[in-house]
Amino acid sequence: GENVEQHPSTLSVQEGDSAVIKCTYSDSASNYFPWYKQELGKGPQLIIDIRSNVGEKKDQRIAVTLNKTAKHFSLHITETQPEDSAVYFCAAESDYKLSFGAGTTVTVRA
Amino acid sequence: NAGVTQTPKFQVLKTGQSMTLQCAQDMNHEYMSWYRQDPGMGLRLIHYSVGAGITDQGEVPNGYNVSRSTTEDFPLRLLSAAPSQTSVYFCASSYSTLASYEQYFGPGTRLTVT
Repeated sequence: GENVEQHPSTLSVQEGDSAVIKCTYSDSASNYFPWYKQELGKGPQLIIDIRSNVGEKKDQRIAVTLNKTAKHFSLHITETQPEDSAVYFCAAESDYKLSFGAGTTVTVRA
Repeated sequence: NAGVTQTPKFQVLKTGQSMTLQCAQDMNHEYMSWYRQDPGMGLRLIHYSVGAGITDQGEVPNGYNVSRSTTEDFPLRLLSAAPSQTSVYFCASSYSTLASYEQYFGPGTRLTVT
């Protein structure tokens, strides 16, 4: 099955700085790569996703890049704000199932 | 729309007890799934369903049963609870039968098995 590794496990950034989270996956047949944000006490919520026919996608301060050859994808958050503090999960789809990374706890320092 | 609802929010069980975690969605979604979340391990798929009457196993199905008699409901049954099943359980749904579309997660059920 799919194996997704996510780094770093924790990330502390100064407000206004950028945050980058990286993930690798194992199944070369995977074609869909979402990122979810989980706030304390809540379920995860989709923030951005990318499909294998696209190399990069942006949505305001959030961007995701995908390198299918190297089997890795990354989340970039620019101009971080206190409300960006949360746990972020990457995932990869394979055979009707999503496999998630272990998560990155992002803390934005004021 | 209420979205995805889960009950109960918290539950404590003794080893060997059985119980059912309830999940319902009012978005007419075909795809529903159950995950468990453990510290440092992300979300792991337990079971999923691509439509009423169709279920399949995920990554960690042992000790859990599911059924999907209606589009709206997807209950998760713990047959004989074990301390290893202490976790936070999330139900999710998606309008597509594929996993490659946005999944909407419920608020979770925190289960403790003593």
